[in-house]
Amino acid sequence: SQQGEEDPQALSIQEGENATMNCSYKTSINNLQWYRQNSGRGLVHLILIRSNEREKHSGRLRVTLDTSKKSSSLLITASRAADTASYFCATDPFGGSARQLTFGSGTQLTVLP
Amino acid sequence: NAGVTQTPKFQVLKTGQSMTLQCAQDMNHEYMSWYRQDPGMGLRLIHYSVGAGITDQGEVPNGYNVSRSTTEDFPLRLLSAAPSQTSVYFCASSYTAATSLYGYTFGSGTRLTVV
Repeated sequence: SQQGEEDPQALSIQEGENATMNCSYKTSINNLQWYRQNSGRGLVHLILIRSNEREKHSGRLRVTLDTSKKSSSLLITASRAADTASYFCATDPFGGSARQLTFGSGTQLTVLP
Repeated sequence: NAGVTQTPKFQVLKTGQSMTLQCAQDMNHEYMSWYRQDPGMGLRLIHYSVGAGITDQGEVPNGYNVSRSTTEDFPLRLLSAAPSQTSVYFCASSYTAATSLYGYTFGSGTRLTVV
């Protein structure tokens, strides 16, 4: 079963614009992570936000977490063509016996030059 | 370069055949796992290991076996391939099995087709 669900499923923007992707999840979590996947490649870890954090920054990435709404957002500022990829949120469920990261189905981001 | 290495990158199997997907990491990571990725379904956990000699099932373990005899290697065995196992398989590792600390490092994947 999928814990995280991304929205929108697909997003197309112009280079230089900001891109916002959302993730909703169902159960309590220890942390939430965002990954990027370029076409035909493996996933790359972008950022991890813990359940007691509300916002985190890494370069052009900004992630927010609202545990009361069970949602997170990933903002990519000043997007570039190289940001074209699929983006996945993944949740680390609270209370698990070991790590079982659960991934959503992803948002396909296309940045047009 | 340090990382997670998966072999082969592509494989075509006939229904009923068996094979082993290899995964090796050189980062001394404690935790290793296998996911499959199908269109529109994200990644689903097959099996995982929190250390040498310790493995457990994930969400979709049927038809797959794993073992972890060393820290570095975590092979995935398909016992009798079925068309439903056509997918892209990813191996992922993490420094620790503890939560709330580290993200995963992924391999580049194995694209498997069962005919």
